[in-house]
Amino acid sequence: NAGVTQTPKFQVLKTGQSMTLQCAQDMNHEYMSWYRQDPGMGLRLIHYSVGAGITDQGEVPNGYNVSRSTTEDFPLRLLSAAPSQTSVYFCASSPGAAYGYTFGSGTRLTVV
Amino acid sequence: LAKTTQPISMDSYEGQEVNITCSHNNIATNDYITWYQQFPSQGPRFIIQGYKTKVTNEVASLFIPADRKSSTLSLPRVSLSDTAVYYCLVVDKNSNSGYALNFGKGTSLLVTP
Repeated sequence: NAGVTQTPKFQVLKTGQSMTLQCAQDMNHEYMSWYRQDPGMGLRLIHYSVGAGITDQGEVPNGYNVSRSTTEDFPLRLLSAAPSQTSVYFCASSPGAAYGYTFGSGTRLTVV
Repeated sequence: LAKTTQPISMDSYEGQEVNITCSHNNIATNDYITWYQQFPSQGPRFIIQGYKTKVTNEVASLFIPADRKSSTLSLPRVSLSDTAVYYCLVVDKNSNSGYALNFGKGTSLLVTP
């Protein structure tokens, strides 16, 4: 099925551990982005990419790294997990500003 | 990014028309108005986007007055399944800076029987 696939759906980490949240889309979209959503809050932009090899920081980039080696994949790396990074993470892709973003189903991350 | 203001919450009964108004006083010439819908435990879903006047699709209508300082999302004859959070966003379609989306807290719509 076409869309944005995020893995894993759930993850528990210990403080200081590192991990990578995976995001893949099969729609050949150029734009991809990562958001986090904390309880009762809207989504906040972490990092985004306008094409393979091009990434930039969003509103809350600290503690996260990204890379975009292919059009399809946009992984998000947590370098050293902290309890403040407990959140739901959404990946999204878009063919361009005129078309809206398609979001994945999210990864629920808990850091203990 | 232009700031948007919308009600925190709204209640409606099934079958009614719901209008959610969003203000965006500092909207720029290149900005479009976009609405997303989010159900619990799901990612947001793009609903509708417009620049001026009226846009309609199978889900909703979007009304934008001439000065574009506000917009109204209209949901006809809502059902229980329309209970969700609705986000109004202003998007610079000509920007190459990631087409970043500023979601805010949205409007939580509760539809009851």
